[in-house]
Amino acid sequence: EVVMTQSPVTLSVSPGERATLSCRASQSVSSHLAWYQQRPGQAPRLLIHGASTRATGIPARFSGSGSGTEFTLTISSLQSEDFAVYYCQQYYNWPPITFGGGTTVVIK
Amino acid sequence: EVQLVESGGGSVQPGGSLRLSCAGSGFTFSSYEMSWVRQAPGKGLEWVAYISSSGSTIEYADAVQGRFTISRDSAKNSLFLQMNSLRAEDTAVYFCARVPATGTFVDNWGQGALVTVS
Repeated sequence: EVVMTQSPVTLSVSPGERATLSCRASQSVSSHLAWYQQRPGQAPRLLIHGASTRATGIPARFSGSGSGTEFTLTISSLQSEDFAVYYCQQYYNWPPITFGGGTTVVIK
Repeated sequence: EVQLVESGGGSVQPGGSLRLSCAGSGFTFSSYEMSWVRQAPGKGLEWVAYISSSGSTIEYADAVQGRFTISRDSAKNSLFLQMNSLRAEDTAVYFCARVPATGTFVDNWGQGALVTVS
């Protein structure tokens, strides 16, 4: 099973600042990596797939990078609606499909 | 607009059964792979089960293997999850999830159905 580890667990950022979230895989997942955003009380929303491809309708301030075992989600200038929990997910070596434990982005 | 609407959630005693349904609309249901993903209260996301567009390929997480059954009726644009021998640790919000052809991630999620085993 591919274990996905996200860091930090909680990230404190001021509005307008850049946020950098990390995701590490226990073995290579190539570029088969997705990122999701989940706001309180809502279902997750796809942000990024293929490690760096933004999903339909996702603002350009969200960007993904990395391959192999190290991945990054960057939010260039945090807006109020971006304070949420972010999950990464690998889909290279499955089953099982595995998610990271999540990073919560909070207002500083 | 793509819509996925779950139903069938509720409370059940340990050892009991429950069947979740998911109605898809706004897309060609029969062309898409589907999954169920769950989220225990205050916890992260956990993949539960996957079914291919034809229904010929099915996969389960170890935690539910042998107790849960995923199925689909593409003529009725519906996805199902039959859950038997339920345990307290199955308590979660269960999301119906659409899987695109480009990879086994989720491009659309339902609003979720709460299952409480107590």
